[in-house]
Amino acid sequence: AQSVAQPEDQVNVAEGNPLTVKCTYSVSGNPYLFWYVQYPNRGLQFLLKYITGDNLVKGSYGFEAEFNKSQTSFHLKKPSALVSDSALYFCAVRASPLRSSNTGKLIFGQGTTLQVKP
Amino acid sequence: DTGVSQDPRHKITKRGQNVTFRCDPISEHNRLYWYRQTLGQGPEFLTYFQNEAQLEKSRLLSDRFSAERPKGSFSTLEIQRTEQGDSAMYLCASSFGPGLGDREKLFFGSGTQLSVL
Repeated sequence: AQSVAQPEDQVNVAEGNPLTVKCTYSVSGNPYLFWYVQYPNRGLQFLLKYITGDNLVKGSYGFEAEFNKSQTSFHLKKPSALVSDSALYFCAVRASPLRSSNTGKLIFGQGTTLQVKP
Repeated sequence: DTGVSQDPRHKITKRGQNVTFRCDPISEHNRLYWYRQTLGQGPEFLTYFQNEAQLEKSRLLSDRFSAERPKGSFSTLEIQRTEQGDSAMYLCASSFGPGLGDREKLFFGSGTQLSVL
């Protein structure tokens, strides 16, 4: 079964400091991994994805994430946090379509609230 | 590209009543998904369509829930005999479908917040 764990309910960081939001996953075969962000009263927005290739993927708004197969992790990072980054962040996983051709669903973690203070 | 739209934004109903939500996906997208999100939790998968075919349903989707996508365009999610436990945000998303590049990216609507009194 597929699953995602985000071990931290909330991450607090000062503006200008680096941030990390943690995610670990469990899936059969090669994972497709995603990060989405949810701002208040708005729908989830795609940030970045890992499907294949370079383990470090870059996404929107200066975010990046590192895929680590041995640790089954996909942590979200940003070198310098902004107050405007404060939001709810979700990690998600799905199995490769090569593994299960009709399964399109994403499994989401429970979310991590990022609070960036000025 | 006007994005994914959902209607209504909010719905308040009494226990036992039926409710129906609508989702209009991005027009070029083949896949349409329904998720449910409760406070403090991530979105939980309910069901998805490839064009008009409903390809997968979660065990969360009891027989009181039914979803349709009759012409492969908009979709409706109906909940019959609502219960207080159905109170949640119902999210719709669409995508091109499986494949590399941006085909896997889900575009979400703002959701319909259901409150069952």
